[in-house]
Amino acid sequence: GAVVSQHPSWVICKSGTSVKIECRSLDFQATTMFWYRQFPKQSLMLMATSNEGSKATYEQGVEKDKFLINHASLTLSTLTVTSAHPEDSSFYICSARDPATGGVETQYFGPGTRLLVL
Amino acid sequence: QQQVKQSPQSLIVQKGGISIINCAYENTAFDYFPWYQQFPGKGPALLIAIRPDVSEKKEGRFTISFNKSAKQFSLHIMDSQPGDSATYFCAASSGYQKVTFGIGTKLQVIP
Repeated sequence: GAVVSQHPSWVICKSGTSVKIECRSLDFQATTMFWYRQFPKQSLMLMATSNEGSKATYEQGVEKDKFLINHASLTLSTLTVTSAHPEDSSFYICSARDPATGGVETQYFGPGTRLLVL
Repeated sequence: QQQVKQSPQSLIVQKGGISIINCAYENTAFDYFPWYQQFPGKGPALLIAIRPDVSEKKEGRFTISFNKSAKQFSLHIMDSQPGDSATYFCAASSGYQKVTFGIGTKLQVIP
């Protein structure tokens, strides 16, 4: 089945530093990947849609200069949290579509990255 | 605007019982309705999904019931087991449009 990985699984950083999170589709090519943010005991909030070879589409209220997304290849998308602050601490999850196995609608999620900003 | 309303937010079921989670949607353009299961500290995993052209879909102990006219769908977990304890999210989407998630239901199955 379609597998999505994320790295790192957790990261602790100091306030003001930048953190990069990688999302990889391991056994399929993903032209579209999605980045979500999830606070404790809450639902997933879509941050942005990452399109291979083009600029990401950000949801309303998400700062594109704060959350930089790069989708340079068909198997890799990265999310960089720039100048991280404690309020950026959250669980970040990526997902990808695999039209070949799941149809255009099915999203396969990565295991998530726990970010803690001190 | 919450386009997919999910209830209850928490549910406790005895082992062997039936767990039922309900969702309602507003956007009639939605044509794909997946359910995701999420364990603590993990990403969501696709459990089962349905399209509006069928009223029910069953996979093992998991069944989705779909009522198009009422714009409602539900997940039934038969013979619930402690290993089913997780958070369940209903969702809805249309084609390549983004997926809209429900608020989630934390299920606890007690022995």
